Amino acid sequence: GDSVTQMEGPVTLSEEAFLTINCTYTATGYPSLFWYVQYPGEGLQLLLKATKADDKGSNKGFEATYRKETTSFHLEKGSVQVSDSAVYFCAPGGSASKIIFGSGTRLSIRP
Amino acid sequence: KAGVTQTPRYLIKTRGQQVTLSCSPISGHRSVSWYQQTPGQGLQFLFEYFSETQRNKGNFPGRFSGRQFSNSRSEMNVSTLELGDSALYLCASSLAVLGYSGDTEAFFGQGTRLTVV
Repeated sequence: GDSVTQMEGPVTLSEEAFLTINCTYTATGYPSLFWYVQYPGEGLQLLLKATKADDKGSNKGFEATYRKETTSFHLEKGSVQVSDSAVYFCAPGGSASKIIFGSGTRLSIRP
Repeated sequence: KAGVTQTPRYLIKTRGQQVTLSCSPISGHRSVSWYQQTPGQGLQFLFEYFSETQRNKGNFPGRFSGRQFSNSRSEMNVSTLELGDSALYLCASSLAVLGYSGDTEAFFGQGTRLTVV
């Protein structure tokens, strides 16, 4: 069945460091791919998405490229800020009867 | 445009009781999904409703049930509560059934934190 594997956390970085959170998936067909973010005490909100191969989603300095050949959708940011501290969820959608969420990666940024 | 509203935000119940949680979707959205979030299990899909019909269901016992009304508002009920039901319950609304339309975005509420003692 469809599944998603993302980098286990917690991930702790210093401010202005480079961030990569890995995500790979298995799915039938070519699903759209999403990254959601959950800030402390909040629900999830969409961070970015890509709907077809080689598409790059971007928002708030974060980027992720839909790699069909490696079935991956790694999240990157060149210079993280303290305000980026949150839990990040990778989620392929569209190929199954529901969106599958990854286990979440907790990111903590030190000032 | 108002977002997804979940009530109540916090709830404390005793083992064996039942509880009903409410979710009001974004205006115009006809699909409502429910998720259970716990530190150990992450985000697990409970069920999804579209136009008052349950379209998809996750792997939860029959104690977990839901329904959707004609105005798209949804309720989730858990009967005979167990300690392990303590979790953050998240509701998400979308225009279409999640998974049927490849780029359908889910909009989440802030959740209801249920504590069973």
